Amino acid sequence: GAVVSQHPSWVICKSGTSVKIECRSLDFQATTMFWYRQFPKQSLMLMATSNEGSKATYEQGVEKDKFLINHASLTLSTLTVTSAHPEDSSFYICSATEASEVGEQFFGPGTRLTVL
Amino acid sequence: GQNIDQPTEMTATEGAIVQINCTYQTSGFNGLFWYQQHAGEAPTFLSYNVLDGLEEKGRFSSFLSRSKGYSYLLLKELQMKDSASYLCAVSDSNYQLIWGAGTKLIIKP
Repeated sequence: GAVVSQHPSWVICKSGTSVKIECRSLDFQATTMFWYRQFPKQSLMLMATSNEGSKATYEQGVEKDKFLINHASLTLSTLTVTSAHPEDSSFYICSATEASEVGEQFFGPGTRLTVL
Repeated sequence: GQNIDQPTEMTATEGAIVQINCTYQTSGFNGLFWYQQHAGEAPTFLSYNVLDGLEEKGRFSSFLSRSKGYSYLLLKELQMKDSASYLCAVSDSNYQLIWGAGTKLIIKP
């Protein structure tokens, strides 16, 4: 099956620093990639949807200037948490699909971010 | 608004059968997904239903009734490793996944 990787798998940083998370589709071309955030004991919350070569579409309430998304190629999307604060500590998960229409989303393993 | 409802938590016994229900109200419908998520891990795909009826895949089956806005995931011959959260998600008219809060399934020996 399709494989999506994420790097790093976990990161601890100081408040005020920026953190970049990479999401790669390893054996398929991802037309669309999604970024989710999940707080403990809560469901997935979609942050943004990105299509290769175009600007990401952010969900209501998600600050686009704080969560920078770049989908530079069909196999790579990055999420940069700028000036991270403790309340940004969460489990960040990316997923990818091969088509913009209905289809299975393949999830990366997630990145656990802890901001001190 | 769009809404996905599923029970917060369920408990079942190893070897038994459990049914996890999901009801939905969405703007449009392009299929319903079930995902399994173990604690601290990303979700993994279990099933996809777009037509009414039952889809069977090994120990897991998923049922859909579009007219009732209802689905269930049936797990047979429960194993301890089935302890996880089960997420119901509906693809709406924009092909965006609307996620339920998940059902935490606890398996007891």
